[in-house]
Amino acid sequence: QKEVEQDPGPLSVPEGAIVSLNCTYSNSAFQYFMWYRQYSRKGPELLMYTYSSGNKEDGRFTAQVDKSSKYISLFIRDSQPSDSATYLCAMSGTGNQFYFGTGTSLTVIP
Amino acid sequence: DTEVTQTPKHLVMGMTNKKSLKCEQHMGHRAMYWYKQKAKKPPELMFVYSYEKLSINESVPSRFSPECPNSSLLNLHLHALQPEDSALYLCASSQFSRGARNEKLFFGSGTQLSVL
Repeated sequence: QKEVEQDPGPLSVPEGAIVSLNCTYSNSAFQYFMWYRQYSRKGPELLMYTYSSGNKEDGRFTAQVDKSSKYISLFIRDSQPSDSATYLCAMSGTGNQFYFGTGTSLTVIP
Repeated sequence: DTEVTQTPKHLVMGMTNKKSLKCEQHMGHRAMYWYKQKAKKPPELMFVYSYEKLSINESVPSRFSPECPNSSLLNLHLHALQPEDSALYLCASSQFSRGARNEKLFFGSGTQLSVL
């Protein structure tokens, strides 16, 4: 079983839709949870960061962590064509390694 | 400033060439990483330096040789690469403190490497 599971998609939505992206994980030691946005042939950009359980909101983006279910989510409200990218979840605990999902490819259609 | 700077952005090299990738960060981070990423795949860890010492080497072939001259710089020396080594090479850094906490990972924009 992989440490982190993420549905690769692809996901295609109309402009203005609410997008929900999800990851599950198996290691209960994970405490730090991240979402990255990656455009083609560019480095991943840190979008959201959450420590432990709870919600965090930044503009159109909301990150949720449910440690009891080992489940994290990223919601994008009022999606825009510029949100079309691959979204990677990542997490870490102690030690200096980060564990990534496989990424979900999102296309927002104008 | 949350910037990790990588040079060059693009590199084309033959299988007999020697080249180096460079990475720099000024966030005071004490852990620096090299990742390799193939198209439509997540980043794959190659090396980790913690406090300028190599702490993780994920069984990477010796044709890749990392170097950490100081806490802000990270190099990846390339020699006798194969066409299958063509990929996006990503440098990253994190604020890793001894005794455990390792929080956000910041990536550079990457070097797109093509081996002919």
